[in-house]
Amino acid sequence: AQSVTQLGSHVSVSEGALVLLRCNYSSSVPPYLFWYVQYPNQGLQLLLKYTSAATLVKGINGFEAEFKKSETSFHLTKPSAHMSDAAEYFCAVTRSGYSTLTFGKGTMLLVSP
Amino acid sequence: GAGVSQSPSNKVTEKGKDVELRCDPISGHTALYWYRQSLGQGLEFLIYFQGNSAPDKSGLPSDRFSAERTGGSVSTLTIQRTQQEDSAVYLCASSVAGGGTDTQYFGPGTRLTVL
Repeated sequence: AQSVTQLGSHVSVSEGALVLLRCNYSSSVPPYLFWYVQYPNQGLQLLLKYTSAATLVKGINGFEAEFKKSETSFHLTKPSAHMSDAAEYFCAVTRSGYSTLTFGKGTMLLVSP
Repeated sequence: GAGVSQSPSNKVTEKGKDVELRCDPISGHTALYWYRQSLGQGLEFLIYFQGNSAPDKSGLPSDRFSAERTGGSVSTLTIQRTQQEDSAVYLCASSVAGGGTDTQYFGPGTRLTVL
């Protein structure tokens, strides 16, 4: 079985500050990991994914995430927050030979001026 | 169109009625997924279609839920005898071929409200 835990249902940062959204996974086999972003009343958009190549993954809009097997983590970071980053972020996991995603509960990112 | 489309965008129904939700995947994508997003349960997988293979229905919460995919393209999710706990946003996604590394592209969802 696979699962994802996102620590913090809400994270608040100031514009220009570091963004850190935490994701820990549980998987009995090597995982594939994804971060999606959801803006209000929209579907999910892929930010980045880890599929067993480089452990540091760069995505769109300046986001990146590092796969750390020893910590079973895949935290999402961005050096400097923009107002436009305010949205809900979902971490998801799957594995080889398995197509459907298991999502975390989501983290709402709030950015203040 | 360029992306996944879903209709209707909003659906309000009365308890006990049947509803049909439609998904048009990205052209050429052989894999199609339905998920449900609700306040209490978060994002949950419902059903997965891949090409001509039998669908993976392991996520359907009850036998009131069913889905079909016609001609390897459009999909319809049907909920019979709707209950208030069925109120949620139903998201459809498609991907090129399925498989764990494939990127799933999501539609905007259908917000279902059961009164």
